[in-house]
Amino acid sequence: DSGVTQTPKHLITATGQRVTLRCSPRSGDLSVYWYQQSLDQGLQFLIQYYNGEERAKGNILERFSAQQFPDLHSELNLSSLELGDSALYFCASSATGLSYNEQFFGPGTRLTVL
Amino acid sequence: DAKTTQPNSMESNEEEPVHLPCNHSTISGTDYIHWYRQLPSQGPEYVIHGLTSNVNNRMASLAIAEDRKSSTLILHRATLRDAAVYYCILRDGRTSYGKLTFGQGTILTVHP
Repeated sequence: DSGVTQTPKHLITATGQRVTLRCSPRSGDLSVYWYQQSLDQGLQFLIQYYNGEERAKGNILERFSAQQFPDLHSELNLSSLELGDSALYFCASSATGLSYNEQFFGPGTRLTVL
Repeated sequence: DAKTTQPNSMESNEEEPVHLPCNHSTISGTDYIHWYRQLPSQGPEYVIHGLTSNVNNRMASLAIAEDRKSSTLILHRATLRDAAVYYCILRDGRTSYGKLTFGQGTILTVHP
């Protein structure tokens, strides 16, 4: 158990819909990361937050947005869903946002868009 | 980000040592070498990292070549639970952000 929790575990929805994925970091960790894992693209970094502020952006679509709240939990919002958005979404946390800190990953949310 | 090259797959027998290689010929002086692994149906898991010197922890050892253009992750006695995809990742120590850039990794199969 990494100490990072993600809800829900599974999500099935239809094209065009909007969903919210939730992540609670390990106690004391200030930085949260979101990653997407699909069969064709592998594991890809989406976005990083540090203590409530956006720190870095990766291959995140404009239809996707995220935020980190004052209690440090984070949400990833996916809208106008397409079939290609079906993937595993992982949240990770680290003590700081620095590059030598290890990241602790949650169990993931499996999103299926029908 | 500097690129890493790993074999697509490797096989080992249980209780034997496993040496997983990684080439990173374009590594810069400030790049840390990180290893993560992903067990089936789980999120990635940190294994070990280093900068210049060899490193040991309870999970594995990391041997870094003197010119830093390659490294080897060593699992001293493989168990069935070590069957996973292993990722070698370079992270620039100068940056104030810490994203991980995953490649294809090495699929490790462990035979009983």
